Amino acid sequence: AQSVTQLGSHVSVSEGALVLLRCNYSSSVPPYLFWYVQYPNQGLQLLLKYTTGATLVKGINGFEAEFKKSETSFHLTKPSAHMSDAAEYFCAVNMKFTGANSKLTFGKGITLSVRP
Amino acid sequence: DVKVTQSSRYLVKRTGEKVFLECVQDMDHENMFWYRQDPGLGLRLIYFSYDVKMKEKGDIPEGYSVSREKKERFSLILESASTNQTSMYLCASSFASGQYFGPGTRLTVL
Repeated sequence: AQSVTQLGSHVSVSEGALVLLRCNYSSSVPPYLFWYVQYPNQGLQLLLKYTTGATLVKGINGFEAEFKKSETSFHLTKPSAHMSDAAEYFCAVNMKFTGANSKLTFGKGITLSVRP
Repeated sequence: DVKVTQSSRYLVKRTGEKVFLECVQDMDHENMFWYRQDPGLGLRLIYFSYDVKMKEKGDIPEGYSVSREKKERFSLILESASTNQTSMYLCASSFASGQYFGPGTRLTVL
């Protein structure tokens, strides 16, 4: 079984400040990990993913995340927030692809607000 | 670029109507998924399909059915719509890792 925890439902930062969105997971096998972003009235867009290799993963729009196996975490960061980053962010996990399906388990999401 | 399209962005239906939500992907992906998204509940998996004519129930299949007659198309069917099925419906497709999402259909059942 696998699960994802995103603590809190809302984070507010000032424009130019560091963005840190936390994600912890549980998985019985080494996981694949993902961050998605959803802008209002749109579908989810893949920001970045970790499958194998380098544990620091860079994504679109200046975001990055680091897989820390010892902490079972995959926190999302961006050094300097922009107004356009305001959106809802979802962390997701699945077991490494071994067969007929690739079901993802999603966290409940975090809404990021950016203050001018 | 992977493209996943959904037949409608907004839909309004009446209680008891049969509702079809269509999803098409253009990347020859094997796996396709239907989710519903509600405030405070995140994304919940309704059904998924890993091949033509193959389907498996997700976490909340009650009140829904699906059809996958062709690889690129995955349909979600509400046999008799009810007000508690008012929601945002998201379709996704995938090959090996990660999923690609359509823009969503916001369904209102009156």
